[in-house]
Amino acid sequence: AAGVIQSPRHLIKEKRETATLKCYPIPRHDTVYWYQQGPGQDPQFLISFYEKMQSDKGSIPDRFSAQQFSDYHSELNMSSLELGDSALYFCASSLERTSGLYNEQFFGPGTRLTVL
Amino acid sequence: AQSVTQLGSHVSVSEGALVLLRCNYSSSVPPYLFWYVQYPNQGLQLLLKYTTGATLVKGINGFEAEFKKSETSFHLTKPSAHMSDAAEYFCAVSDRHSGGGADGLTFGKGTHLIIQP
Repeated sequence: AAGVIQSPRHLIKEKRETATLKCYPIPRHDTVYWYQQGPGQDPQFLISFYEKMQSDKGSIPDRFSAQQFSDYHSELNMSSLELGDSALYFCASSLERTSGLYNEQFFGPGTRLTVL
Repeated sequence: AQSVTQLGSHVSVSEGALVLLRCNYSSSVPPYLFWYVQYPNQGLQLLLKYTTGATLVKGINGFEAEFKKSETSFHLTKPSAHMSDAAEYFCAVSDRHSGGGADGLTFGKGTHLIIQP
């Protein structure tokens, strides 16, 4: 079965540079989520999108922005990178949760960002 | 805001012994509840979830968890540990509400499960 695709899988950047992470959801999934997992930490929710609109917002820094495109893929843009941004960034996708029901989030393999 | 507490950052059991990983949540309205497993340098895999219905939930790899509203708990168990169970385990919650939406998950700090031969 098709899974969530994230690219690149590994990325090395210098401080103050920018980075763009991409996420391709499972076919027919219309909702994407972004999470950040620092070394030895639990995943932290950053932001989610449904039908190209921001749906929920977590602890996303102002230096980060994200969007969802018409084909439902999403990009996380990170500017003025700091050493503390080094982390594993997960994307997850799901069908939008309809009233009273829950649709499971399926996680991608993650993008490991290293800021030097 | 939701919070999730996992007791014990590290749990060590012998191969073949019972595995018990503890998870408590803080919410006046029981949320949706999940357990995820993460192997080194890999993504998150859903073990099991509780959304509605039977409070004892069975998942993959022989794991199960029981939702206890009175204790605000969702502990993960496995009768007999296997070496391949060694991994990081995360309990997570998502708000339960009547509307739609794309709420992010709130994760606990994780429990590292060590299996002794």
